[in-house]
Amino acid sequence: EEQLVESGGGGLVQPGGSLRLSCAASGFTFSDHYMDWVRQAPGKGLEWVGRARNKAHNHMTEYAAPVKGRFGISRDDSRNSLYLQMNSLTVDDTAVYYCTKGGGYYMDVWGKGTTVTVSS
Amino acid sequence: DIQMTQSPSSLSAAIGDRVTITCRASESILGFVNWYQQKPGKAPQLLIHTTSTLQSGVPSRFSGSGSGTDFTLTIGSLQPEDFATYYCQQSYVTHSFGQGTKLEIK
Repeated sequence: EEQLVESGGGGLVQPGGSLRLSCAASGFTFSDHYMDWVRQAPGKGLEWVGRARNKAHNHMTEYAAPVKGRFGISRDDSRNSLYLQMNSLTVDDTAVYYCTKGGGYYMDVWGKGTTVTVSS
Repeated sequence: DIQMTQSPSSLSAAIGDRVTITCRASESILGFVNWYQQKPGKAPQLLIHTTSTLQSGVPSRFSGSGSGTDFTLTIGSLQPEDFATYYCQQSYVTHSFGQGTKLEIK
């Protein structure tokens, strides 16, 4: 069974702070797939955060405008893991963060999400 | 950036009704649109990809159509488990989502 499990959220982060989320993948060949992060602020819709392409595309990363320059996505194919480094956090970054398996075109596996709360 | 505009933002319907949700892209995205269903407190699930291809395990009462900038998701005969929020997503240039359509029981 294909599975994604996020971790690293759950606590309170002060504005301006940093946090690193992790996503552990299992049940599929991780290195073959693009991997994305999607977030959802409380009571709001889905927002694409960014992605790391697969090994064949040199793990190239792409970001949504609101997080570009503050967030960094990386992956370790040897550990079947995806990461989201979040810096200079603001209250607007408060959300549930989902890790998703993509093929570049659609996201067919989602984790349960991890909650990030930015507040003073 | 490509903007996706969904309508309506909310919809009340009865069991057995046929419902249609539309999504309009700010520029042509060919057929690169996907649809997701999300229930409260749960992660979204892929329903339809590339305009009209049903994801494995999704009931055939769900269907998708469209091209260019205008796309639709149709549920042929609403079942109790279909009441949820639906999102369209474009994957032509990176990704962006519509704002969602909340489908409620009438």
